[in-house]
Amino acid sequence: DTEVTQTPKHLVMGMTNKKSLKCEQHMGHRAMYWYKQKAKKPPELMFVYSYEKLSINESVPSRFSPECPNSSLLNLHLHALQPEDSALYLCASSQPDRGTPLHFGNGTRLTVT
Amino acid sequence: GEDVEQSLFLSVREGDSSVINCTYTDSSSTYLYWYKQEPGAGLQLLTYIFSNMDMKQDQRLTVLLNKKDKHLSLRIADTQTGDSAIYFCAESDTGGFKTIFGAGTRLFVKA
Repeated sequence: DTEVTQTPKHLVMGMTNKKSLKCEQHMGHRAMYWYKQKAKKPPELMFVYSYEKLSINESVPSRFSPECPNSSLLNLHLHALQPEDSALYLCASSQPDRGTPLHFGNGTRLTVT
Repeated sequence: GEDVEQSLFLSVREGDSSVINCTYTDSSSTYLYWYKQEPGAGLQLLTYIFSNMDMKQDQRLTVLLNKKDKHLSLRIADTQTGDSAIYFCAESDTGGFKTIFGAGTRLFVKA
């Protein structure tokens, strides 16, 4: 069982829809991450929140909007996506000041039609 | 920039040992990781090693680090069909932040 929980597991959305991906962790980690993973590729970093502040944005298009309401929760708001945005979206967490490794959730499989 | 390279495919027979190799370029790497990804799942942290260590053993898993050659390997003893997955090598100088992943090695275990 993973200690990072992501919902939903699967999501199908049209290009005009607005949806949100959710992530929750209860390990007391103060850094949370969004990664995008295409089939047979390694995960690509999108955003990093450290102590609830956005610290890294890897030049992600504005149709992806992250939000960190508190230290346990991370959301990714989606709007006007393109079919090429279809991928596995992974949330991860770590403790930034202790050099801990990333702990990943099981991801949300997103399909944009 | 930093880079992590690993072979893309490995096939072994059930019961044999598997060795997955990885090379990295960043000499300041402090943490080196192995993650396992099964179909439809996220990345599961298998083990990790600090750059001041040469070896780490955890049950069937043995990690060897040659810091001079920037070479990392993962040995799985008595490989089982449940070990079939993609294995990602990764490195970081800060732990978590700016983790660099290799392309992943697909391990196929034949019964």
